[in-house]
Amino acid sequence: SQQGEEDPQALSIQEGENATMNCSYKTSINNLQWYRQNSGRGLVHLILIRSNEREKHSGRLRVTLDTSKKSSSLLITASRAADTASYFCAIQPMNRDDKIIFGKGTRLHILP
Amino acid sequence: EPEVTQTPSHQVTQMGQEVILRCVPISNHLYFYWYRQILGQKVEFLVSFYNNEISEKSEIFDDQFSVERPDGSNFTLKIRSTKLEDSAMYFCASSEFKGGAYEQYFGPGTRLTVT
Repeated sequence: SQQGEEDPQALSIQEGENATMNCSYKTSINNLQWYRQNSGRGLVHLILIRSNEREKHSGRLRVTLDTSKKSSSLLITASRAADTASYFCAIQPMNRDDKIIFGKGTRLHILP
Repeated sequence: EPEVTQTPSHQVTQMGQEVILRCVPISNHLYFYWYRQILGQKVEFLVSFYNNEISEKSEIFDDQFSVERPDGSNFTLKIRSTKLEDSAMYFCASSEFKGGAYEQYFGPGTRLTVT
């Protein structure tokens, strides 16, 4: 399938530590996006990284993209309790403007 | 900051009934989408809409589903005869072409419960 696949499926870390989540996909992409979802709530767009970009930062978030390996990582530095959520990567396949394809997500739990 | 809005936030309906989920996309966006997320599962693409017609739909989007942009602001998803398995969160999204990419903005979702 084309979809992104995140790993790990679940991650628990102590507050203050860094959290790294990975995403792999199988098709050529226009861009890859990361979203956060608090339990039972809506999707919050975090970062979009284009296929010609290798790294992007936004506050405590750092996203990398390796198109040769078809993989991406999301790093959250200095984690906080409020970062507890599910994180999804979503790919926009090459030449397809009309949809993005989500992975199953990583459930991140920040321990106080 | 402009945002996508959806109403209602929660809809409870009986099996076999028709439901209409409503969305107001961001005003200058041209692409509109519906996705759904069954509890505990991933977000699944249903349909995309551009220039007043469906541009793509998934296999989930069967004859029971339809979309409409009845006026210049609303974008609706209709399920004609709901089934128990239609219970899910339904997300609307809209996008604009920005910096060489279509960045999708999601609404807060409508939780549909079919009993």
